[in-house]
Amino acid sequence: EVQLVESGGGLVKPGESLRLSCAASGFTFTSFTLNWVRQAPGKGLEWVSSISGSGDYVYYADSVKGRFTISRDNAKTSLYLQMNSLRAEDTAIYYCTRAPLFSEWPQYWGQGTLVTVST
Amino acid sequence: FILTQPHSVSESPGKTVTISCTRSSGNIASNYVQWYRQRTGSSPDSLIYEDNKRPSGVPDRFSGSIDSSSNSASLTISGLKTEDEADYYCQSYDIHNWVFGGGTKLTVL
Repeated sequence: EVQLVESGGGLVKPGESLRLSCAASGFTFTSFTLNWVRQAPGKGLEWVSSISGSGDYVYYADSVKGRFTISRDNAKTSLYLQMNSLRAEDTAIYYCTRAPLFSEWPQYWGQGTLVTVST
Repeated sequence: FILTQPHSVSESPGKTVTISCTRSSGNIASNYVQWYRQRTGSSPDSLIYEDNKRPSGVPDRFSGSIDSSSNSASLTISGLKTEDEADYYCQSYDIHNWVFGGGTKLTVL
């Protein structure tokens, strides 16, 4: 059974940093691109970032480019999102997701972790 | 590109409802469209993938289609149940970029 479990969310002030983690299990970790998708309170879904199975290729939404860094540790079967220079508009639930092989859609979702950026 | 959905729709139990998802630029048929249901307080669930396929466990009351003439995709739910009340999102992509529609709140009254 595929499982994705996020952690690391919390309350931070504008300009501060936070690192999210996603522990994955139930599949061959290195074979799959992983992704972060977020959802602001009461709003819709927004793709944030993707990373290839090897970690060699990373992609970002324009809204987070230059501030967020996606990475993975294949030995620990974990995905990360380092978020710097946080803004109020980054407040959201952050979901770790996995697409099927050679596909561009989220098939599996974690339960999400809430990030709140506020003074 | 953006995907535009109606903000809300409502229908009675037992009836059929269709939710649209219109692509602003580029051909709707050029990249697959997916549909998700999100109940309050939960993560999204996959309902339709690759335009019209259902994951195992999704009942055939849910169906998806695309219409190139209107450059849109549609999710149709037949035999509505009160438990279908939720937010529904379409999703597609272009190169290294996933795009979600703004979501449609379905009320079953």
